[in-house]
Amino acid sequence: EADIYQTPRYLVIGTGKKITLECSQTMGHDKMYWYQQDPGMELHLIHYSYGVNSTEKGDLSSESTVSRIRTEHFPLTLESARPSHTSQYLCASKTSGEQETQYFGPGTRLLVL
Amino acid sequence: GQQLNQSPQSMFIQEGEDVSMNCTSSSIFNTWLWYKQDPGEGPVLLIALYKAGELTSNGRLTAQFGITRKDSFLNISASIPSDVGIYFCAGQSPKMGSNYKLTFGKGTLLTVNP
Repeated sequence: EADIYQTPRYLVIGTGKKITLECSQTMGHDKMYWYQQDPGMELHLIHYSYGVNSTEKGDLSSESTVSRIRTEHFPLTLESARPSHTSQYLCASKTSGEQETQYFGPGTRLLVL
Repeated sequence: GQQLNQSPQSMFIQEGEDVSMNCTSSSIFNTWLWYKQDPGEGPVLLIALYKAGELTSNGRLTAQFGITRKDSFLNISASIPSDVGIYFCAGQSPKMGSNYKLTFGKGTLLTVNP
């Protein structure tokens, strides 16, 4: 079982608030990812990181930002939340080597009022 | 970018029936992963495939890495109500530059009628 954690699991917040979604993994994985997913829909990659001090934007444009100061920690921040940001945010990390495997966290369900 | 075609989009079956779903791609992959996602939760890895032709089982689940490296299927035998959920396939391209990102199918929604 993967050791990847996300907090909070659920968040209801008002428009204009700044929020940070936490993601941490204890497996020492260099590669980490953030996905955005609406209920029952496909996964959209919004950010990824190859390692410490490395971050890249994903395939879906997002107003969020990420940082990677430590290997185990990959937080996502929204400076000013809007109702259009309401979604589920999934963090993942991937093993390295020839047989790579990606594991997901439990997700954060965000509702912006 | 690359796309995966996952089918069927949804399935409604009776408990005890076998289920099959598949993913196809226009380009080759060197890894196929199958996940199951329950509502409000993150996807959970079911089976990982790393070699063309590989056939791997996990309990009632069986998945195969197609010999062309462009497809994979997942079978569930003797379905039970807790099999309900969305099943995603994901492929890892061997191409440089895409090495770090998986390509995901759009999912198969499975409903099991008790």
